Amino acid sequence: QKEVEQNSGPLSVPEGAIASLNCTYSDRGSQSFFWYRQYSGKSPELIMSIYSNGDKEDGRFTAQLNKASQYVSLLIRDSQPSDSATYLCAVTGSGGYNKLIFGAGTRLAVHP
Amino acid sequence: KAGVTQTPRYLIKTRGQQVTLSCSPISGHRSVSWYQQTPGQGLQFLFEYFSETQRNKGNFPGRFSGRQFSNSRSEMNVSTLELGDSALYLCASSLLGGEEGYTFGSGTRLTVV
Repeated sequence: QKEVEQNSGPLSVPEGAIASLNCTYSDRGSQSFFWYRQYSGKSPELIMSIYSNGDKEDGRFTAQLNKASQYVSLLIRDSQPSDSATYLCAVTGSGGYNKLIFGAGTRLAVHP
Repeated sequence: KAGVTQTPRYLIKTRGQQVTLSCSPISGHRSVSWYQQTPGQGLQFLFEYFSETQRNKGNFPGRFSGRQFSNSRSEMNVSTLELGDSALYLCASSLLGGEEGYTFGSGTRLTVV
């Protein structure tokens, strides 16, 4: 079992729709959870962080965390073609905040 | 405010050679991490430095090493390069040691031939 699992996609959604990206993790001691966006040929960019159970909203993005189910998700409302990228889920393990464990990423394609 | 700066951007090396990559973190950031990204393995943690001390290390052979200087700048070195070391090497920095997440540089694309 991989430490952080994501569906590789591609997830294809029409412009204006809600894109839902999911991630599960195996380490119950994980403390911090992040979503990074990576455009092709670019480096990852931090878009959301979440630390406690529940929802956290930032503009069109909502991160959801359920530690009991070891599940974290990212919702993108009013998806735009510019949101087309690979979304990486990253988790800090019980060993500390200074090591991020990444999922393989979900490729999102938003079509006009 | 300048971001994380990595040099060089691209590098081509021959098997058996060694290479040194450089990273300048965001001003004030004291935690610097290195990651390797390949199509097959994704993003994998190499090591993390804070105030010149390596605090954490990933599962890479001893050919991969790093260090951090008193000004928080960091270097990583790969000795005896193998074809499989071809990858994008990413440096990331954090102000608080990782709790708030890391900001990545643009990376160094290393090709071993």
